Amino acid sequence: TAGITQAPTSQILAAGRSMTLRCTQDMRHNAMYWYRQDLGLGLRLIHYSNTAGTTGKGEVPDGYSVSRANTDDFPLTLASAVPSQTSVYFCASSDTGGGAGADTQYFGPGTRLTVL
Amino acid sequence: GQNIDQPTEMTATEGAIVQINCTYQTSGFNGLFWYQQHAGEAPTFLSYNVLDGLEEKGRFSSFLSRSKGYSYLLLKELQMKDSASYLCAVRDSNYQLIWGAGTKLIIKP
Repeated sequence: TAGITQAPTSQILAAGRSMTLRCTQDMRHNAMYWYRQDLGLGLRLIHYSNTAGTTGKGEVPDGYSVSRANTDDFPLTLASAVPSQTSVYFCASSDTGGGAGADTQYFGPGTRLTVL
Repeated sequence: GQNIDQPTEMTATEGAIVQINCTYQTSGFNGLFWYQQHAGEAPTFLSYNVLDGLEEKGRFSSFLSRSKGYSYLLLKELQMKDSASYLCAVRDSNYQLIWGAGTKLIIKP
C-alpha cells in the first residue's frame, strides 16, 4: 500500500499567490494532521482533523486553511503566501486521533515549499 | 508553556552504544514517542512509552520516567545507517503531539 502521499514534492511560489498542498492516505485512518518543519524547531501542528467533516486548529494555524470532505484527503491551502511560510510541510495520519493506545502517527514524504 | 528539550547533535562510533536524552514539560501527559528522521525524509516511528520503565525493540530501547519528565532512547551496536535525527514527542492533555527540535546523530567509522 502507498500509505500517505503528498503533492507536489517541492514548489517555488511567489508571495501573494495561493496554493493547495495535497495529502491522500489509503489506510482508512480517521485522523489526519498537517505539520511544518523548520530548521532548529520541532514539528509544529498547523491543523488537524479527527474525522471526516471536522477540523481543528493547531499551534500555528494563521495563514492556512484545511478541509476534510472525506476520509482519504486532507488538503492544506495557503490563501496568500508569505516568505515566512517557506518550510517543509508534512502530512500525517493516525487510526483514531482520540488517544486510544499509541495511535501512532504515520507521515507522508513532505512538500518543500519556498515562498519568494 | 510546553517544552521538549533534547541535545542538538551527538557523535558516536560505529558499533558503540549511544543514549539520547529528552526532558519535557507539558500540559498533561498521554505518552511519549521517539521517531527517526533521515535527512530529506519523513519521520518514522520508533517507540512509544506511556508507563515508566524500559521498552526494548531490537537494537533500540526507550526509557520513561514520568515523575522526572525524562526519557531516553538507547541505540546499541550502532550502524552507519543510524545516522539520522531522532525526534522526541509528547502527547499532551489535548492528545496533540508536542515535538522536540530533534537530535542529529552522527556515526563515525
